[in-house]
Amino acid sequence: NAGVMQNPRHLVRRRGQEARLRCSPMKGHSHVYWYRQLPEEGLKFMVYLQKENIIDESGMPKERFSAEFPKEGPSILRIQQVVRGDSAAYFCASSPGQTKTYGYTFGSGTRLTVV
Amino acid sequence: AQSVSQHNHHVILSEAASLELGCNYSYGGTVNLFWYVQYPGQHLQLLLKYFSGDPLVKGIKGFEAEFIKSKFSFNLRKPSVQWSDTAEYFCALLAGNMLTFGGGTRLMVKP
Repeated sequence: NAGVMQNPRHLVRRRGQEARLRCSPMKGHSHVYWYRQLPEEGLKFMVYLQKENIIDESGMPKERFSAEFPKEGPSILRIQQVVRGDSAAYFCASSPGQTKTYGYTFGSGTRLTVV
Repeated sequence: AQSVSQHNHHVILSEAASLELGCNYSYGGTVNLFWYVQYPGQHLQLLLKYFSGDPLVKGIKGFEAEFIKSKFSFNLRKPSVQWSDTAEYFCALLAGNMLTFGGGTRLMVKP
């Protein structure tokens, strides 16, 4: 059973370009969470999705960032018109249900560098 | 709003030394606490978790943590560290479905 798969592992974008980060949850997991880790900081919650629904996006910047988790396919975190401050590691986690019962499984992350 | 603080940002130890990493939290609801480890270039791995019951929790790789409600603390301990424990350690609090992380502690173990 493959773990949470994130791709690409490393992504370099020029300022103003778009970044698309993909997360395939573990088989049977229908809950996906995105976290961002800025240099020298801990992980910050961004968004929580279930299939075709955004449950909690309280940690998402209001502009340029969006997330989806379609019925088929991976969850996508999309950052439009990237800026240097978006450079960070973006981690995805998944669970089969309520976090308290099942816990999270994290992916290896996508390291975004904006040049 | 909940918060988690890790006051030691960097810790350097020699092999066989004992380890204690501090974690303090602030939260008004039921407390569910975790410690994660992140080895260089890798994803977060769960070391241990506390939901209820015995406040002394044993995890993988010889780590343990003690939940002290009166001190709002959940410190991580290991009696004798190894070079392979070099990593970053994160304390986290679960509120609803969201984990709130501390800023992390980077541990370097010198051989």
